[in-house]
Amino acid sequence: DIQMTQSPSSLAASVGDRVTITCRAGQNIITYLNWYQQKPGKAPKLLIYSGSNLQSGVPSRFSGSGSGTDFTLTISSLQPEDVATYYCQQSYTHPSFGQGTSLEIK
Amino acid sequence: EVQLVETGGGLIQPGGSLRLACAASGFTLSNLYISWVRQAPGKGLEWVSIIYSDGTTHYADSVKGRFSISKDNSKNTVYLQMNSLRAEDTATYYCSRAITITTIFDLWGRGTLVTVSS
Repeated sequence: DIQMTQSPSSLAASVGDRVTITCRAGQNIITYLNWYQQKPGKAPKLLIYSGSNLQSGVPSRFSGSGSGTDFTLTISSLQPEDVATYYCQQSYTHPSFGQGTSLEIK
Repeated sequence: EVQLVETGGGLIQPGGSLRLACAASGFTLSNLYISWVRQAPGKGLEWVSIIYSDGTTHYADSVKGRFSISKDNSKNTVYLQMNSLRAEDTATYYCSRAITITTIFDLWGRGTLVTVSS
């Protein structure tokens, strides 16, 4: 199994801030990396797939980058509705998820 | 409406069995990969199992030998048979649809809660 490690585990930022979440894979996964957003009591929602591709309907303030073992999810201007937990997931082999990053408004 | 709906959760004693169902509507699951992902209360996401369009199945080590995934294309439904349940299997179980022949999950159900407790 490929271990996925996210950092930080939690963060608080102000509305309008640029927010960055990092995900590191235990081995080279090329760009087989996806990002999900989960709001309390809801199912996860796909935001970014294959490293940097924005899922249809997702606001353009979300972006993804990286390859190999190091990946980043960026929110260019944080909005109140972005309060959620964010998970990375590798799709190189049998799926595995990072432990999640909880994002709050400061 | 395109959606997945999970049913079958509930309270079960340790060692017991339960079968979850994931019914698809608005699309045909026969040509797609469908997966089960679980989330223990207050914890992160854990992949459980997947069934490919050709019926090939795979499982996480934590459930291998105890859980079994299957599908009925005529009912547009995927099942998860869970045997020898343990307290650590307590979680909300989500079914999810993968994009074509990948494990990129673009559609999720609302989940069904399984509680294993005496």
